[in-house]
Amino acid sequence: QVQLQESGPGLVKPSETLSLTCTVSGGSINSYYWSWIRQPPGKGLEWIGYIYYSGSTNYNPSLKSRVTISVDTSKDQFSLKLSSVTAADTAVYYCARDPYGVGPNPWGQGTLVTVSS
Amino acid sequence: QSALTQPPSASGSPGQSVTISCTGTSSDVGGYNYVSWYQQHPGKAPKLMIYDVSKRPSGVPDRFSGSKSGNTASLTVSGVQAEDEADYYCSSYAGNNIVVFGGGTKLTVL
Repeated sequence: QVQLQESGPGLVKPSETLSLTCTVSGGSINSYYWSWIRQPPGKGLEWIGYIYYSGSTNYNPSLKSRVTISVDTSKDQFSLKLSSVTAADTAVYYCARDPYGVGPNPWGQGTLVTVSS
Repeated sequence: QSALTQPPSASGSPGQSVTISCTGTSSDVGGYNYVSWYQQHPGKAPKLMIYDVSKRPSGVPDRFSGSKSGNTASLTVSGVQAEDEADYYCSSYAGNNIVVFGGGTKLTVL
């Protein structure tokens, strides 16, 4: 069964760009949608956006100006970049597969990213 | 689009039935049969419990069920057990390739 694993820096300075990668194993990335979701400490889930394996993207309108999601099918990886981060972007970031673009499943274990100087 | 509305908390004694609501609009919950429910234990990733309003993935106990009426979806746990104590989140497709989540409900087993 497919498994996902997030990786990237756990600490990012304010105004810089947050960069995370999700590695997919146990299945090919050459189908489906691939999502990023985040969860600030003690708060709820927020959908960031997703990319179709072919490269088309869709983003949360509230984050759209700062978000870029890309895919590297040769490495079975997809990535998230969030620019101009502030403390409000501190969260656990999850990657997930979304088979039909209507609800993510399964999810990676998540990675905490803290924005602080 | 706005987050879906869930009650902050719900509770029930072991063996009782508990229902959690998820209210949206005709642009999301009411407009599509693509509501999902996730269970999240502390420090863990969310786990899919219900998809497409009322379908249960393999391995999810049949005491979990989902339904929808108008702009409100519901998750019912029939015969709640201690291990069901967790946070529950709904999500819905909102058109234009957008997904929206609810604010989450903490289920306490008394």
